[in-house]
Amino acid sequence: GDSVTQMEGPVTLSEEAFLTINCTYTATGYPSLFWYVQYPGEGLQLLLKATKADDKGSNKGFEATYRKETTSFHLEKGSVQVSDSAVYFCALSPNAGNNRKLIWGLGTSLAVNP
Amino acid sequence: NAGVTQTPKFQVLKTGQSMTLQCAQDMNHEYMSWYRQDPGMGLRLIHYSVGAGITDQGEVPNGYNVSRSTTEDFPLRLLSAAPSQTSVYFCASTGRGGRRHYNEQFFGPGTRLTVL
Repeated sequence: GDSVTQMEGPVTLSEEAFLTINCTYTATGYPSLFWYVQYPGEGLQLLLKATKADDKGSNKGFEATYRKETTSFHLEKGSVQVSDSAVYFCALSPNAGNNRKLIWGLGTSLAVNP
Repeated sequence: NAGVTQTPKFQVLKTGQSMTLQCAQDMNHEYMSWYRQDPGMGLRLIHYSVGAGITDQGEVPNGYNVSRSTTEDFPLRLLSAAPSQTSVYFCASTGRGGRRHYNEQFFGPGTRLTVL
């Protein structure tokens, strides 16, 4: 079945460091891909998305490119800030018929030190 | 729009007690779902609903009931609380998209439940 695999955390970086959080997926057809972010004590919120191969999603300095050939959707940011400390979830939507379920990765915790 | 709201924010129960976690959305979304979040386990789907009057089980439905009498509300009932149900519970909703709708889920702020 469909699945999402994220790199395990926690990830600890210094401010202004480069961030990569790896995400790979297994799915049939043409899923949509998402990154969600969860700040401490809050619910999840959509960070960025990509709906077809080679699409690049971007928001708040974060980027991820939908790579069908490598079945990947890695999250990157060139210069992280303390305020980026959060848990990041990769997810896919099978886009099969009326299926609204999301398939979730386990999340990667990021801590950014000043 | 308030988006997705959940009450209460925090709750402590004793084993065997019952309670209802409330969830409401004002975006006229058809699809709603309940998740629990536990350390190292990510998000696990408890129940979901594709519209008023229709509900179905997710990955971990045991010990929970849901109903969907209106589009707006999707309460989650714990019938007889157990310590294993100590968790953070999130409600989410998803609207109808276009031909390639991307199923963005909107989350509530969560309910932190402790069962003693």
